[in-house]
Amino acid sequence: EAQVTQNPRYLITVTGKKLTVTCSQNMNHEYMSWYRQDPGLGLRQIYYSMNVEVTDKGDVPEGYKVSRKEKRNFPLILESPSPNQTSLYFCASRTDRLSSYNSPLHFGNGTRLTVT
Amino acid sequence: AQSVAQPEDQVNVAEGNPLTVKCTYSVSGNPYLFWYVQYPNRGLQFLLKYITGDNLVKGSYGFEAEFNKSQTSFHLKKPSALVSDSALYFCAVIRGSYIPTFGRGTSLIVHP
Repeated sequence: EAQVTQNPRYLITVTGKKLTVTCSQNMNHEYMSWYRQDPGLGLRQIYYSMNVEVTDKGDVPEGYKVSRKEKRNFPLILESPSPNQTSLYFCASRTDRLSSYNSPLHFGNGTRLTVT
Repeated sequence: AQSVAQPEDQVNVAEGNPLTVKCTYSVSGNPYLFWYVQYPNRGLQFLLKYITGDNLVKGSYGFEAEFNKSQTSFHLKKPSALVSDSALYFCAVIRGSYIPTFGRGTSLIVHP
């Protein structure tokens, strides 16, 4: 089954303790992205990657890191989490074959992060 | 810069009545427009998209959307709402950078 898999689904941590949220897709998609969803603010893009070893900042990249060493994986790293990073996080991917850039995004089921 | 506005935080409609969820956009040139739906505890799911051609686009679950270039709108519609349509709906636009920009979302509540 074609899917985007995020882990974990729920995570509670303390301020300053490094964490990684994993994201993997099995559709051979070129484009991958991380979003955070907050009430009243909708979806905001954190980082995106157009292909392996190519990453770029989105609208709210501060406090986050990403890497794209393999096409299928795009982990989100919080080196020193803070309470304002408490949010619902989504990973998404899209095929960009033929340089169409208009294929729909496929989303994971989300990771709810609480930083105390 | 591209942007999307969803002017209503919440839309309430009775089951069986038609529904409309509004979206307006701002881009230079011709946009790619999308609607996504989010059910509780799930990620967003693609509903439909407009790339070019017919201004009325049909999508999943009986939804359709009308592209209006002069009003820069892409409203989501359904002729007869179901309680199961209750969810959070997001409009998105792509142009130029090929990176999607999402609206803030509209909560649709369908009352029995």
